[in-house]
Amino acid sequence: AQSVTQPDIHITVSEGASLELRCNYSYGATPYLFWYVQSPGQGLQLLLKYFSGDTLVQGIKGFEAEFKRSQSSFNLRKPSVHWSDAAEYFCAVGARGKLIFGQGTELSVKP
Amino acid sequence: DAGVIQSPRHEVTEMGQEVTLRCKPISGHNSLFWYRQTMMRGLELLIYFNNNVPIDDSGMPEDRFSAKMPNASFSTLKIQPSEPRDSAVYFCASSRRLEGGEYEQYFGPGTRLTVT
Repeated sequence: AQSVTQPDIHITVSEGASLELRCNYSYGATPYLFWYVQSPGQGLQLLLKYFSGDTLVQGIKGFEAEFKRSQSSFNLRKPSVHWSDAAEYFCAVGARGKLIFGQGTELSVKP
Repeated sequence: DAGVIQSPRHEVTEMGQEVTLRCKPISGHNSLFWYRQTMMRGLELLIYFNNNVPIDDSGMPEDRFSAKMPNASFSTLKIQPSEPRDSAVYFCASSRRLEGGEYEQYFGPGTRLTVT
């Protein structure tokens, strides 16, 4: 069965520090992978997606993610975090048009 | 592009009342999804439609929940009768399939439902 695991429920980083959010998936075929961000009281916004090709994908707001098939991972990174990045981040795998979401990682940013 | 539109944004109702949530997908999108988000269970897919036809409703919690999509630009999610455990944020999302088989879902702002 398809599944997504985000091992970190909550992460705190200092403003200006680098960030990596982990995501592991389980899917039989070549996955479609997504990262979404949800600010408090808002809907989910698509940050980036991977379908095929280059395994390093660039997204909005300076985020990038790397697909590693051997590790079944799709980790999200940002070289320098801004206070406005504080939000909840969801990794998802696409399966026949549906999305299966991880439980989310809440990011707090220290001044 | 107005994005996915949901109404109402907030709904407070008493247990036993009927609740109807509404969604207008992005024009040209042929798939529509209803999700529920709670602290305990995270994001759950309730039901989704392709070309106005329900494809998978296995996530609908029970018979009190029903969803319709009478045309390509409108969908409703109804709870009758509502219960306090239905309190959650309900999201609608839409997507369209691109030439390479790719797709991406766009989410609405959600409806926060409180059942007292």
